[in-house]
Amino acid sequence: TQLLEQSPQFLSIQEGENLTVYCNSSSVFSSLQWYRQEPGEGPVLLVTVVTGGEVKKLKRLTFQFGDARKDSSLHITAAQPGDTGLYLCAGALNTNAGKSTFGDGTTLTVKP
Amino acid sequence: ETGVTQTPRHLVMGMTNKKSLKCEQHLGHNAMYWYKQSAKKPLELMFVYNFKEQTENNSVPSRFSPECPNSSHLFLHLHTLQPEDSALYLCASSQVQWQEGNTIYFGEGSWLTVV
Repeated sequence: TQLLEQSPQFLSIQEGENLTVYCNSSSVFSSLQWYRQEPGEGPVLLVTVVTGGEVKKLKRLTFQFGDARKDSSLHITAAQPGDTGLYLCAGALNTNAGKSTFGDGTTLTVKP
Repeated sequence: ETGVTQTPRHLVMGMTNKKSLKCEQHLGHNAMYWYKQSAKKPLELMFVYNFKEQTENNSVPSRFSPECPNSSHLFLHLHTLQPEDSALYLCASSQVQWQEGNTIYFGEGSWLTVV
């Protein structure tokens, strides 16, 4: 069973639309990261959240960590073709980042 | 530029070849990782080194042999691989392995094709 469930698995939208992707677990994480990965490249860190209820904004991207630190969401406003990619969430159990668990990812396609 | 550099970016090797993947981080980190990413599978942790000492081997076959000569460099030696080992191999680093809020930074990956 997957420790971190991401949904939706695939998302295809038009430029200018808003979207939200989710990362859910039954486990409590000490921190959670969101990454974006383009084809053939490594994941690039977008944000780390560590406090329950925390909200972080990165331009058009809004990240929220659930109050119980079991889930997170990524909301993109007015999506652009440059947002296309694989979005991965990763949760660190306790304090061992080496055992960070990754979700399967959400593949986002933003059409012009 | 994430501060983690991997070479080569692409590698094609035969099943009897011996090759190595190299990773170098310029972030002053002390923990380094190898991950494997295959199509339709989540990222798989392979090895972890913390202050040059191997702390994790996630049941990786012995045909993959890691080496960490110092905190900035990590190698993955490859020998008699199988076609199913074809994947994107990602190197990553973090400040230390055990730290609350620790974040992992990835290299661009090495695409490996075993023929």
